[in-house]
Amino acid sequence: GESVGLHLPTLSVQEGDNSIINCAYSNSASDYFIWYKQESGKGPQFIIDIRSNMDKRQGQRVTVLLNKTVKHLSLQIAATQPGDSAVYFCAENIRAGGTSYGKLTFGQGTILTVHP
Amino acid sequence: NAGVTQTPKFQVLKTGQSMTLQCAQDMNHEYMSWYRQDPGMGLRLIHYSVGAGITDQGEVPNGYNVSRSTTEDFPLRLLSAAPSQTSVYFCASSYGPPGTRGYTFGSGTRLTVV
Repeated sequence: GESVGLHLPTLSVQEGDNSIINCAYSNSASDYFIWYKQESGKGPQFIIDIRSNMDKRQGQRVTVLLNKTVKHLSLQIAATQPGDSAVYFCAENIRAGGTSYGKLTFGQGTILTVHP
Repeated sequence: NAGVTQTPKFQVLKTGQSMTLQCAQDMNHEYMSWYRQDPGMGLRLIHYSVGAGITDQGEVPNGYNVSRSTTEDFPLRLLSAAPSQTSVYFCASSYGPPGTRGYTFGSGTRLTVV
């Protein structure tokens, strides 16, 4: 899961296992949450998003769960593959004044390593 | 359709020098942002724009200026470079508020200030 500090949390799994990456967010006014994947030397790449009025959303091999009560977000990756090895970030879009501004705030990331 | 293009990819500056990091997108996106990424710190928002002529500060704006004279371009200016500005800088854009499928990111500019 996410943590404050200079060292990113890490998750190591075997190929074929399911992975769960956790994220705690801070702002109850956030209306969208997004998971990004970042491979070494590249910019973040969109994986999946979820609105604050939902608690679950599924994509291809990925599921995002949102628990607003405890301000917690998780990303589940099914049948994890070596190509899934990357840093994963959650991000929240903070809504203010009745509109969604362009301020996307990122968590610190989790390093996922998938062993063949 | 090139997406989000950042130039240069790498840059070394001396303390006190100024420079402009370029960002251009050809997707007619209204929303654009600049982030910096430091080791173990995730991405932090520097400045963002919700359309041509409209900019606002993010989490870490000090030492940086932006302007948005066209929809396509969103340059980031370092006024007087400091070693603390050594980082990887990402530009991003989206058609609407980034909550809808999030931002599309460029490949980054790696800046070292000595």
